[in-house]
Amino acid sequence: AQTVTQSQPEMSVQEAETVTLSCTYDTSESNYYLFWYKQPPSRQMILVIRQEAYKQQNATENRFSVNFQKAAKSFSLKISDSQLGDTAMYFCAFMKNDMRFGAGTRLTVKP
Amino acid sequence: DAGVIQSPRHEVTEMGQEVTLRCKPISGHDYLFWYRQTMMRGLELLIYFNNNVPIDDSGMPEDRFSAKMPNASFSTLKIQPSEPRDSAVYFCASSFEQPGLGGNEQFFGPGTRLTVL
Repeated sequence: AQTVTQSQPEMSVQEAETVTLSCTYDTSESNYYLFWYKQPPSRQMILVIRQEAYKQQNATENRFSVNFQKAAKSFSLKISDSQLGDTAMYFCAFMKNDMRFGAGTRLTVKP
Repeated sequence: DAGVIQSPRHEVTEMGQEVTLRCKPISGHDYLFWYRQTMMRGLELLIYFNNNVPIDDSGMPEDRFSAKMPNASFSTLKIQPSEPRDSAVYFCASSFEQPGLGGNEQFFGPGTRLTVL
């Protein structure tokens, strides 16, 4: 079974700075999808970014980018120019047939 | 599209009562997922459907839990009888399968916060 590990339960960053959230996963599959979801205090799960395992190019969405290392089974999220609205729980997720989530990282952006 | 719709948003009930959570997926999506989120266990996949057929229910904790999807636009998750340890936020999500065309992303509903006293 696939497992997803987020080793940082909590992180904080100053507004306008850059922060990187870590994620590793375990799988024997070669084709799959990886995601980062954001869950603000409103509780709504919001997709931040997605990566197809067959693509070598790292995905980027505005201030959000990933460092996908397939051989190392690592999928970290970099948030540039952090904003107060980025304060949330961030979940890394692996998907083949179904989606498995990591335990989450609580990110606080400080003014 | 209104997104994934869940009802109720909050439910408070007493131990032993039956609880039914409802979900309307996004029109055209052929996958539907039920998750449970707790502080202790995080986000757990309970069950998922493809074209209204249950594919994997290995995450359903006990026989007290059951899920149905009678048609493409409606699903229920039922707990009977409910227990205090069932208190959690229950999410429904839907997706469609179109690899290479933006598929596989799951769209989540707002969740139902269940409290069992």
